[in-house]
Formats: sequence, structure tokens, C-alpha cells
Amino acid sequence: DAKTTQPPSMDCAEGRAANLPCNHSTISGNEYVYWYRQIHSQGPQYIIHGLKNNETNEMASLIITEDRKSSTLILPHATLRDTAVYYCIVRETGANNLFFGTGTRLTVIP
Amino acid sequence: EAGVAQSPRYKIIEKRQSVAFWCNPISGHATLYWYQQILGQGPKLLIQFQNNGVVDDSQLPKDRFSAERLKGVDSTLKIQPAKLEDSAVYLCASSLRERVYTGELFFGEGSRLTVL
Repeated sequence: DAKTTQPPSMDCAEGRAANLPCNHSTISGNEYVYWYRQIHSQGPQYIIHGLKNNETNEMASLIITEDRKSSTLILPHATLRDTAVYYCIVRETGANNLFFGTGTRLTVIP
Repeated sequence: EAGVAQSPRYKIIEKRQSVAFWCNPISGHATLYWYQQILGQGPKLLIQFQNNGVVDDSQLPKDRFSAERLKGVDSTLKIQPAKLEDSAVYLCASSLRERVYTGELFFGEGSRLTVL
């Protein structure tokens, strides 16, 4: 079963920041939050992950609330190439793999 | 650095026929995964290998699916006999990280199977 809740779809204007929310209210203390994206006809691509602190890399920023029950992925300047399905994933306790839900379909509009 | 290679990209077969998919992971990646992605859904893990040993195959329909990873490098996923509901994209992924999962997965482009 999915441990995260994401909106099914979002739109964002090109050049603006895209803020993708994720709810993971049942997350446990040793579980990480991962974000992947999947562009049409490609395999998923890792974006970023975090435990409790905010994280930033060349692709995005990850903001995790203090209680860790939700997080937001921020793409600071969305481009048309960022149009994809974005998956928020919590690693299941005792499991080795990542459970992908249905994600958020982000459409960047010119 | 070369990515995860998969073949074939596309395959169309009739039900009850067999099919095989091949995956070559990134060099040095000990962990290899096969995922199944049905249209409109997220990828679902079928099997995970650590070197040439199976770590998790709890979601693999063993009556018709089989997978092997000889010599701990390339892997093959086979379906025999195929059913209509096996129509999906089969994704291979590899990772440097082992059981304490803190790393990232690198996915191939997938093999799209259509069963008629």
C-alpha cells in the first residue's frame, strides 16, 4: 500500500517555481523521503531524497516539515522539459525497494 | 558513464507465447531490480538481485515469470506463457547500494510488451 498522498495533477507556468506537495503522515523516524520523476516513455529518474533536513541539489529542493508528515519538492524555474510524473516515495520499513504510487502529473505550460 | 541498457524496446506477442527481456546494469552496480509498469500506474517491483542472489521475489508471479542474473552482471526476465494482463513496460534498474538502502536507483528506458 502507498504510504504517500499526492495530487494527481498540477500545472505550472514556464519559468515559475513548481511546488509539488506530498503527504506522508505515517512516516517513521528512520524512513527517508525520495522523489523520482518519469518523463514520457522513459524510466524513472532520481531527483532528491532527505530524512529530516531540507535538501538542495542541482535539480530541485526538498522541504520537509518539522513533524516530517509532509514535504514539498520545489523546481525553482520550471521548463517544458520538466513535464513529467513526479513520485514521492517513502522507503518501507524493512523493505529494500521503493514503492511507487501513481504520482503527480506536472504539466509545464509555455 | 553508460546507463542501464535494456532490450528489446518493444515486443508484440500473442497470448500463451513466451518472451524474454535482457538488462545490462551500470558497471559495478551490485543490486539489480526488475519492475513492471502497467499503463497509468507506478512501477511495481517484481524481483531484486544482490549480485547473483535473489533478495526479494515476493511479487513475482512464479508460475509464469522467471528471472536470472548469472555471474552477477546481466539479467534476463522471462514470461512463459504470457497473458493479456502482462501487457506493460518492464523496467530494469540498478543501484550501488545494498540492503541498507540509502542510495538511488538508475533505471533503463524499459521494454514495452504488448500481448494480443
